[in-house]
Amino acid sequence: GAVVSQHPSRVICKSGTSVKIECRSLDFQATTMFWYRQFPKQSLMLMATSNEGSKATYEQGVEKDKFLINHASLTLSTLTVTSAHPEDSSFYICSASQGVYGYTFGSGTRLTVV
Amino acid sequence: QQQVKQSPQSLIVQKGGISIINCAYENTAFDYFPWYQQFPGKGPALLIAIRPDVSEKKEGRFTISFNKSAKQFSLHIMDSQPGDSATYFCAAPSMYSGGGADGLTFGKGTHLIIQP
Repeated sequence: GAVVSQHPSRVICKSGTSVKIECRSLDFQATTMFWYRQFPKQSLMLMATSNEGSKATYEQGVEKDKFLINHASLTLSTLTVTSAHPEDSSFYICSASQGVYGYTFGSGTRLTVV
Repeated sequence: QQQVKQSPQSLIVQKGGISIINCAYENTAFDYFPWYQQFPGKGPALLIAIRPDVSEKKEGRFTISFNKSAKQFSLHIMDSQPGDSATYFCAAPSMYSGGGADGLTFGKGTHLIIQP
């Protein structure tokens, strides 16, 4: 089956620094990738949608200058959290689309900002 | 505006029993209704999904029932096992439509505990 690899699984960074999270589709090409954020004991919230070779589309309330998304190839999308602060600590999950309604999720990245 | 309303928030079921989780949606344009299972510290995994042209879909112990007129769909887990203890989310495509696939809007989740 389709596999999406997300790296790193856990990261701790100091406040004010930037962190990059990678999302790779291992055995299929993903024209569309999605980034979600999940706070403890809460649901997943869609942050942004990225299509290969074009700018990402951000959901309302998500700061595009803070959460930089690059989707440079059909198998790789990256999320960079810039100038991270403790309130950015969360579980970030990517998802890759195999078609209009085929979604495969990565295993998530636990970000802790200290 | 909550587009997908899920209930109950938590559920305790005895081993071997039937677990039932419900979801209601608002947008009649939605045409894909998946259920996801998530274990702590992991990403969600697709359990089963349905399109609105059928009223029921069964895969092993998992069944989706879909009621288009009521704008509701539910997940039934038959012969529930302790290994089914997890958080379950219903979802539907988000309102955004920029071509290609749409992101998913998730329900708030149901924490299911199967007691041995």
